[in-house]
This record gives sequence, C-alpha cells and structure tokens, in this order.
Amino acid sequence: QLQLQESGPGLVKPSETLSLTCSVSDVSITSSSYYWGWIRQPPGKGLEWIGSIYYFGGAYYNPSLKSRVTISIDTSKNQFSLKLSSVTAADTAVYFCARRVPSPVNAFDFWGQGTAVTVSS
Amino acid sequence: QSVLTQPPSASGTPGQRVTISCSGSSSNIGSNTVNWYQQLPGTAPKLLIYSNNQRPSGVPDRFSGSKSGTSASLAISGLQSEDEADYYCAAWDDSLIGNYVFGTGTKVTVL
Repeated sequence: QLQLQESGPGLVKPSETLSLTCSVSDVSITSSSYYWGWIRQPPGKGLEWIGSIYYFGGAYYNPSLKSRVTISIDTSKNQFSLKLSSVTAADTAVYFCARRVPSPVNAFDFWGQGTAVTVSS
Repeated sequence: QSVLTQPPSASGTPGQRVTISCSGSSSNIGSNTVNWYQQLPGTAPKLLIYSNNQRPSGVPDRFSGSKSGTSASLAISGLQSEDEADYYCAAWDDSLIGNYVFGTGTKVTVL
C-alpha cells in the first residue's frame, strides 16, 4: 500500500537550511503518472503549497518561497527532498509531503503524516 | 496568504446539512477545477472532492461539491459527529505559473 514518510530534523536554527526527505513506498517516484509535492501548515494556521516536482518535467515552486526552495528527486532511494534556505521563525510548521495526480484529477490524493519543524536558536 | 476565501467556521446538529463556500477569482476557480480537503484534528489532510464534484473511492456520498463562476461550495448532508474537522478548498492559479492555492479553511463543529 502506498506510503509517504517525511523525515528530517525537528529543530533548525535561524538563517540555516531546513532539509526534509519524503520516502515513497509501493510506487516508483519516476512514474509518469504522478507528481510529488510539499505542503506546510504553521501552528494553528492553514495550508500552504511549497512546490512540486515531476520526474519528467522538473520542479516548480510557490512564488513567495521560490528564491529559497529547492525540491529534488533521488531515484536510487525512491525519495524526494525539500531544502528551504535562510529560515526564520515564520518557517516553523508541520511539513507534509504528498502525491499529486495530474489532470483530470489534478489534486494531492495521498499525504504523509507530516513532520513538525521548529525554527529557533 | 490565501487567495481563496472561506468562512472561518460552520456548525450544525447531527443530521443537518452544512454548506461551506469558497470564493476565488478568474485566475484560479474561474479557470481551474476545485478540490476539497478534510483535515481531522492532528492528522494530515485527506482529499475529499476533486474536479469540482468528484469523490475519491471511499468518500461517503453525503459529501458533495459544486462550482459556479469564481466560487465553489462543499455540502455535507446528514452531518455526523466524525465530520467535525477543518475543510480547505484548493485550486491551481494561472496568474503565476504552477501555483497551487489553498483556501483559508473552515472549522466545522457538530453541535
């Protein structure tokens, strides 16, 4: 059964780079049928799309975060990763990885459980 | 900041019908399909409705979605206690390439 599992440090210092990995099981990350994405949720707030990646088409990002975000794929481990640079307290959030099904569904249909990241010195 | 506007809260008694609105613009809801997600307390969001009004396998038919112009709605008929959750609309936005936008979220309370 499809599973997505986020992993990475739960605490990151201000100005440093947040790095998270999403391990995908039961489906190849190189599948032409799916995109992969990151979404975050600050404490007590709503959802914010960070970016997505498609093995055959590259990555694209939320314009408000674009200058600080990199999403990449590691095919050898069937994982995809998020790097967010120059973090501040405003980047404290639960980070979710998710699978996106392209048109006509065009939605995130499977989500990881999320991992909490706190930015603090 | 969210570009899709939802009421912060909605409520109803068991068995009632509750409707949640989602207001956008011509660049998002007006030109793309709408998705709805349900987030139970302490859990990851779950896809509830896609392509405006389609339910994924396993989603009860008491959840229904609709879209008209630059607005969309989610209806929950026969409200049940387990429906108490946060609900988010979402859509792709053509004003900026590849931008997926979520609504502000609505907390549904079962009285």
